[in-house]
This record gives sequence, structure tokens and C-alpha cells, in this order.
Amino acid sequence: GQNIDQPTEMTATEGAIVQINCTYQTSGFNGLFWYQQHAGEAPTFLSYNVLDGLEEKGRFSSFLSRSKGYSYLLLKELQMKDSASYLCAVIDSNYQLIWGAGTKLIIKP
Amino acid sequence: DGGITQSPKYLFRKEGQNVTLSCEQNLNHDAMYWYRQDPGQGLRLIYYSQIVNDFQKGDIAEGYSVSREKKESFPLTVTSAQKNPTAFYLCASHGVTSVSDTQYFGPGTRLTVL
Repeated sequence: GQNIDQPTEMTATEGAIVQINCTYQTSGFNGLFWYQQHAGEAPTFLSYNVLDGLEEKGRFSSFLSRSKGYSYLLLKELQMKDSASYLCAVIDSNYQLIWGAGTKLIIKP
Repeated sequence: DGGITQSPKYLFRKEGQNVTLSCEQNLNHDAMYWYRQDPGQGLRLIYYSQIVNDFQKGDIAEGYSVSREKKESFPLTVTSAQKNPTAFYLCASHGVTSVSDTQYFGPGTRLTVL
């Protein structure tokens, strides 16, 4: 079967750095997404990785290792507004998106 | 302004009634999707359509139906056969740019069946 694993919940301090991991086992791979979802709202796109390595976008960076079936989202200089769920999703060989359950990130002052 | 709209944001229905959720996009995307999200859980695919007049069942299609008569529109009907319809419903379309391959989401409809 296809599976995406993320931690259920993480806590971090305002101003700090946090890394949210995602491991996947899918039938084929055509890219990996990270989305941010605030409570009661739709997910918003953060990043897309299809090649190995680190992609940096301001305070957010996303890393991919296809050989290890592993990605992480790195958030720097955390702000209270970063409190949200972070969803990892993989495009499989049929070009379908397989979604993880999401990681709820709690930021404390 | 390009985007995806869903209406209404909140919807209440009595048990046993069918209800249709609308989804419209002006992004000129071919592929559109319906997801269901329950509290504390990830997204589960209900139906998807990759082209007009064609659609496929997702993982949890039972009790739902869709149509795709126009590229811009992909309405979802929640029928009385759906045993537990109260959930947050998200519509998305899929587009490819020169640098990315992205699903764009509408704001969602929260359906409560009383």
C-alpha cells in the first residue's frame, strides 16, 4: 500500500527553527508538496520538490531525498502565525496525490 | 482575479436530503478534484476529473456523485446514501507552470447534517 508518515504534533518557540519530517512509500514518485493549513481553512501551497536537494523560499525551505523516501520542511524565525497544520503530499506513478495526515505545529511565545 | 470558488462556506442539511456543493475555477485547468477532510485528519479523495465529460472515483466515492459538463465547473452531490456526510469539503484544480506542478484549493465548504 501507499503510505506517508508525518509526526502528529510538534511544539516550538517563537523565533526558533523547526524541522517537520515526512517519509513516504508510494508506487512511483513524480514530486512532493508541502502545504500549510490553518484551522478551518483550505490548504495553501508552500513548496514543490521533484529533484533531490534543498529548495529555499524565504523563511521556509524544503528538502528531498528520493533514494530515502524522505523530505523535510524547515521553518526559520518562527512567528505565531506559523501555528498551523503542515501537510506532505506525494504524486504517485498514476499522477494521483497521496496525502499525509498532517503535522500540527504549535508555536509558543 | 484567477482562482477557485466554492459556495456556500457553511451548509446545513437534514438527514436524508441530497445536497450539491459547487466548485468553479477560472484558472483554465483541466484537472479538478474533490476531497473530504475530517477533524485532525488528512485529505481523502472523493472524485477527480482530468477532462470535461470524464471523471473517476477516488478512495471514498460511495454516497457521492459528480458531473463535469464544463471545464470551469465540477459540482459534488452528497447523497442520502453517504452514511456520515458531516465534514469539510475541499475542491482543487491542478495546474502546471514552468517551475512547478501545483494543486490550488478553493476555500472549502463545511457541511453539517442535522
